[in-house]
Amino acid sequence: QSALTQPASVSGSPGQSITISCTGTNSDVGGYNYVSWYQQHSGKAPKLMVFAVSGRPSGVSNRFSGSKSGNTASLTISGLQAEDEADYYCSSYTTSSTLVVFGGGTKLTVL
Amino acid sequence: EVQLVETGGGLIQPGGSLRLSCAASGFNVRSNYMNWVRQAPGKGLEWVSLLQTDGRTYYADSVRGRFTVSRDNSENTLYLQMNNVKAEDTAVYYCARDGVVSLYGMDIWGQGTSITVSS
Repeated sequence: QSALTQPASVSGSPGQSITISCTGTNSDVGGYNYVSWYQQHSGKAPKLMVFAVSGRPSGVSNRFSGSKSGNTASLTISGLQAEDEADYYCSSYTTSSTLVVFGGGTKLTVL
Repeated sequence: EVQLVETGGGLIQPGGSLRLSCAASGFNVRSNYMNWVRQAPGKGLEWVSLLQTDGRTYYADSVRGRFTVSRDNSENTLYLQMNNVKAEDTAVYYCARDGVVSLYGMDIWGQGTSITVSS
């Protein structure tokens, strides 16, 4: 069982917007701004999409945005494109004995 | 070009030892927090270890006491020494660059190296 909870799957049609949630506790997501999001296409290495809750690395489309409210972080993808179909993982710093935790991952299907 | 290249994977028997290497180019491993992350077949990402710029190390509960992270500044390479491996250590292992002064987000990842623990 992952420390951060994500929906197993989400789907949307091209052009639509979707949001993936990542729920933790005050010891991780809610207590610190060290939440990041990763995109992973099948058989490939993960790619950083959002850092520090809402920062966007150079080269990442502005269709990707991050936010946080309480113990839940969110990744929103607007204007869905076929190439966005992938697995998405959230990650956070945690005060538990394990320093960094990932969510279980969310499979995004573009219909 | 900034990149990471992992090597050292393969088939290993339970209880055995293996050392993974992660060669960096385009930046210095001593200047960034460096992580190891693994992914078991068909499963999600699992954080394994962190080596901070000041040399402090951190480990996931599942590997603490068995795995050791280190770096060779002259070789610009990160290592993961894996001892007393178990079947549940079977995974693709990635090294990933993080922030300069704190955790920030893993912005550069290697291609991964696969470890299979089996007799």
